[in-house]
Amino acid sequence: AQSVTQPDIHITVSEGASLELRCNYSYGATPYLFWYVQSPGQGLQLLLKYFSGDTLVQGIKGFEAEFKRSQSSFNLRKPSVHWSDAAEYFCAVGAPQGYNKLIFGAGTRLAVHP
Amino acid sequence: GAGVSQSPSNKVTEKGKDVELRCDPISGHTALYWYRQSLGQGLEFLIYFQGNSAPDKSGLPSDRFSAERTGGSVSTLTIQRTQQEDSAVYLCASSLGLGGVQETQYFGPGTRLLVL
Repeated sequence: AQSVTQPDIHITVSEGASLELRCNYSYGATPYLFWYVQSPGQGLQLLLKYFSGDTLVQGIKGFEAEFKRSQSSFNLRKPSVHWSDAAEYFCAVGAPQGYNKLIFGAGTRLAVHP
Repeated sequence: GAGVSQSPSNKVTEKGKDVELRCDPISGHTALYWYRQSLGQGLEFLIYFQGNSAPDKSGLPSDRFSAERTGGSVSTLTIQRTQQEDSAVYLCASSLGLGGVQETQYFGPGTRLLVL
């Protein structure tokens, strides 16, 4: 069965510092991979997604993620965090074989110190 | 344009009562999903509708949960005889419905349900 692990429940960084949020997945083949962000009082917004091709994916708001097959990872990065990035971040996987549901990780809550 | 809307935004109910949660997808989106987000948990898939096809109900946790989608648009998630463990945020999402799971799902703001 597919599963997604986000090892870090909470992360705190200083504004302007770099950020990496970890995501590991369990799946027999290359799944479709997604990162979503949930700001307070907001719905989830897609940051980026990976299906195939270049393993470094660029998203919105200056985020990027790198797919590493050997590590079954899809970590999210940002070189310089802004206070407005404080939110909860969810990694998700989807099965390419026609299944239509996303399997989400438990989320990582990001706090940004001024 | 308008995004996915959900109502009510908050619902407090007593244990044993039935509740109905509503989702209005983005116009033209034929795929609609319901997820549940419990405190400290990730999102849990509940049910998926695609056009006129039979819904994928594989994520519904018990027979107290049901959902329908009328006219291929608005969807209602019904929870009968609510229990305290049903307390969660219920999220609805929609997508174009042309390309399967790789499509971007657009999420509503959710309905926060509290069962006392």
